[in-house]
Amino acid sequence: KAGVTQTPRYLIKTRGQQVTLSCSPISGHRSVSWYQQTPGQGLQFLFEYFSETQRNKGNFPGRFSGRQFSNSRSEMNVSTLELGDSALYLCASSVGTGLEKLFFGSGTQLSVL
Amino acid sequence: AQSVAQPEDQVNVAEGNPLTVKCTYSVSGNPYLFWYVQYPNRGLQFLLKYITGDNLVKGSYGFEAEFNKSQTSFHLKKPSALVSDSALYFCAVSVPARTAGNKLTFGGGTRVLVKP
Repeated sequence: KAGVTQTPRYLIKTRGQQVTLSCSPISGHRSVSWYQQTPGQGLQFLFEYFSETQRNKGNFPGRFSGRQFSNSRSEMNVSTLELGDSALYLCASSVGTGLEKLFFGSGTQLSVL
Repeated sequence: AQSVAQPEDQVNVAEGNPLTVKCTYSVSGNPYLFWYVQYPNRGLQFLLKYITGDNLVKGSYGFEAEFNKSQTSFHLKKPSALVSDSALYFCAVSVPARTAGNKLTFGGGTRVLVKP
C-alpha cells in the first residue's frame, strides 16, 4: 500500500506570495491532518479534514487554509507569505475514527525569502 | 488547554543499555497519549498509544510506555537500546471531545543518541 505522499518536497517562495501544498493520503483513509514543524515552535496542529469537512482547527491566522476533495486528497494554502512561515509542513492521514494512529508523509520544506 | 512537556532535549545512552524518554502532560479530563519517532528527513512514525486499560502499553520496535495518572507522566522505555534507535522522539496528547478527531498537542521532542 502506498504511503502518504506530499508534493512538492521543497519549495522556495518570497514574502507576499502564496503557496499551495498537496497531500495524497493512504487509500481508504478519510482523515487528513496538517502540522507545521519549526525549530522554535516545534510541531503545531494546523487543521484536520474528514470527508471534505474541516473537523478541527488550530490557532493559526486566516492566511492558512485548507480543503479536502472527494477522493480525500487535501491541499493547504498559505497566502501573503511571511518569513516566519518557513517550516516543514507535515500531512498525516488516518481512517478517521479519531484518537488513532496517524500515518505521516515526509513533508514539504517551505522556505520564505 | 492541554500541554505536553519533554524535559530533556537530548538523551545519550550506550547501545545495549536501557533507554527512557520522559514525558509529562497537563489536560482537563482523561488524556489520550501517544509516542511518535522521527528519523532525519522523514515524517513521524507511530510507536504506541494509551487510550484506556492497562497502564503499561507495548508498541513498535520493542518500545513500551507506562501511564502514571498520579504523576501525569507517560515515559517511553526500551530495555536495550540500539544504534538505530537514534532519532527524535515526540510525546503527544489528545483530549476526548465530540469533535476531537485527531487533534494532537505535541511536546518539544527529545533527541536520542545511542552510541555503539
